[in-house]
Amino acid sequence: EAQVTQNPRYLITVTGKKLTVTCSQNMNHEYMSWYRQDPGLGLRQIYYSMNVEVTDKGDVPEGYKVSRKEKRNFPLILESPSPNQTSLYFCASSLSPTGDNSPLHFGNGTRLTVT
Amino acid sequence: GNSVTQMEGPVTLSEEAFLTINCTYTATGYPSLFWYVQYPGEGLQLLLKATKADDKGSNKGFEATYRKETTSFHLEKGSVQVSDSAVYFCAFNTNAGKSTFGDGTTLTVKP
Repeated sequence: EAQVTQNPRYLITVTGKKLTVTCSQNMNHEYMSWYRQDPGLGLRQIYYSMNVEVTDKGDVPEGYKVSRKEKRNFPLILESPSPNQTSLYFCASSLSPTGDNSPLHFGNGTRLTVT
Repeated sequence: GNSVTQMEGPVTLSEEAFLTINCTYTATGYPSLFWYVQYPGEGLQLLLKATKADDKGSNKGFEATYRKETTSFHLEKGSVQVSDSAVYFCAFNTNAGKSTFGDGTTLTVKP
């Protein structure tokens, strides 16, 4: 089944403890992207990647890192999480290299709480 | 800069009512436009899309027409069902990979 898989679905952590949220897609998509969803703010883009070893900042990249060493994986890293990073996170991928002509396929989300 | 403005919610309708959710966009050029739907506890999924001016996207009884002159992509459905209760997002990506989403409109349909 074609899908974007994120793990974990739920994560509670403490301020400053490094964490990684994994994202993997099995559709051979070029484009991958991370978003956070907060009430009243819609989805905001954190980082995106149009190819292996190519990553770019979205609208809210501060406090996050990503890597794209393989086409299928695009992990989101929080080196020192803070409470303002408590949010619902989504990974997405698209057949289009820039995500503009083909729809985004989303994972089921990771709900992160930082205390 | 790029932006999407969606009709503010929440929207509450009775079953079989007509639905319109307004969406207007600001973009450089004419990107493909998308409506995504998010059911409770799930990720977003594509509802419909339109790739150029005057295109009409349609799916599951929902429709939206890409209007270049008014920079709009309003979502409509003639007769909503309880199962349509969800959050709806209007969105596009630029050809440089940047995503722009509206804030989302929560629809509740009552029996």
